[in-house]
Amino acid sequence: GQQVMQIPQYQHVQEGEDFTTYCNSSTTLSNIQWYKQRPGGHPVFLIQLVKSGEVKKQKRLTFQFGEAKKNSSLHITATQTTDVGTYFCAGDSGSARQLTFGSGTQLTVLP
Amino acid sequence: NAGVTQTPKFQVLKTGQSMTLQCAQDMNHEYMSWYRQDPGMGLRLIHYSVGAGITDQGEVPNGYNVSRSTTEDFPLRLLSAAPSQTSVYFCASSAGTGGGGGYTFGSGTRLTVV
Repeated sequence: GQQVMQIPQYQHVQEGEDFTTYCNSSTTLSNIQWYKQRPGGHPVFLIQLVKSGEVKKQKRLTFQFGEAKKNSSLHITATQTTDVGTYFCAGDSGSARQLTFGSGTQLTVLP
Repeated sequence: NAGVTQTPKFQVLKTGQSMTLQCAQDMNHEYMSWYRQDPGMGLRLIHYSVGAGITDQGEVPNGYNVSRSTTEDFPLRLLSAAPSQTSVYFCASSAGTGGGGGYTFGSGTRLTVV
């Protein structure tokens, strides 16, 4: 079945440093989504990427979808303490009509 | 707009007991799913539904049943609880195929089976 790998599993950064998490799928995706989960909370949808090579920005967050539509990344510029949480990618292969989530990257921002 | 409402928020069961986790959404979404979240394993799909009367199995369906009699409700039934089902359960809904446009998640049910 479809597998979505995400690295790193944990990342500790000093406030103001940049952060990147990477996502790789075993199959070509029709779209990829990113979610953020605060400690003790539920996943919250951030963005969806659909096109090959697509880049989208949300303030300090930059999302990329690879040319082959099998990998993606989320980059946060100048992290803030409000960025703390676990970031998940989720891939949709299009055929199963369901999302497969990566295991997430837990971000800690040290003040 | 309540979004996705899950009840209960917390539950402790004894091994062998059964229970139903409730999920309701008021966004008229066709797609609904149940996920379980365990430390270090992300979110794993249990069952999903693409519309009223239609359900299908996800990655980890054993020990769970679902039904979708209405668009709004998608309950998850634990048939005979086991300690391995200790987890956080999330219900999610989406207007699009495979969560297209993003899933809205409920606040979760934290289940402990002793």
